[in-house]
Amino acid sequence: NAGVMQNPRHLVRRRGQEARLRCSPMKGHSHVYWYRQLPEEGLKFMVYLQKENIIDESGMPKERFSAEFPKEGPSILRIQQVVRGDSAAYFCASSPARGYEQYFGPGTRLTVT
Amino acid sequence: GENVEQHPSTLSVQEGDSAVIKCTYSDSASNYFPWYKQELGKGPQLIIDIRSNVGEKKDQRIAVTLNKTAKHFSLHITETQPEDSAVYFCALRGGSNYKLTFGKGTLLTVNP
Repeated sequence: NAGVMQNPRHLVRRRGQEARLRCSPMKGHSHVYWYRQLPEEGLKFMVYLQKENIIDESGMPKERFSAEFPKEGPSILRIQQVVRGDSAAYFCASSPARGYEQYFGPGTRLTVT
Repeated sequence: GENVEQHPSTLSVQEGDSAVIKCTYSDSASNYFPWYKQELGKGPQLIIDIRSNVGEKKDQRIAVTLNKTAKHFSLHITETQPEDSAVYFCALRGGSNYKLTFGKGTLLTVNP
């Protein structure tokens, strides 16, 4: 019973490039959440998606960031024109329905040089 | 909005001792309080949670207590072991029923 999977685990991008982070939820889970963790900080909510729908993106910067969770395939968090301040660990969590426990993946550590 | 303060930021104990981490919050609509353990280079792992209609919950060496009147909840680890060393995060969820708000974490070190 595989848990939440994220790839890549580590991603290095130069300023101005694009970063694509992928998340496959646990089997049977159709709700996905993305959180960002800055060094020595707690996780901060970014976006909540169900299949083909963005439910709440209030924690995501309005520019350069986008997220999707298509009918088939993983959820994608996309960061365009990355800047140094985007360097962080990005975690995806999933749950079988709203209001249930959220289980986290191992994260993608993004470094912008 | 939801906000949570976590203390202490670091905690060092001897193996076999107990460890207590406390979190306080301000939004009375908060109704779900999970605790996560994060080991170096890994994602947060849910270790125990409690809902607002319960005052205490235990799972082997781990317990969580909730005081809704005072708006605080605590994680208690008894008979600590070196493998308990990690960063522990409290979190809460309120009226949205999906958005978790996290504390800043407590680095627990259990010395053998």
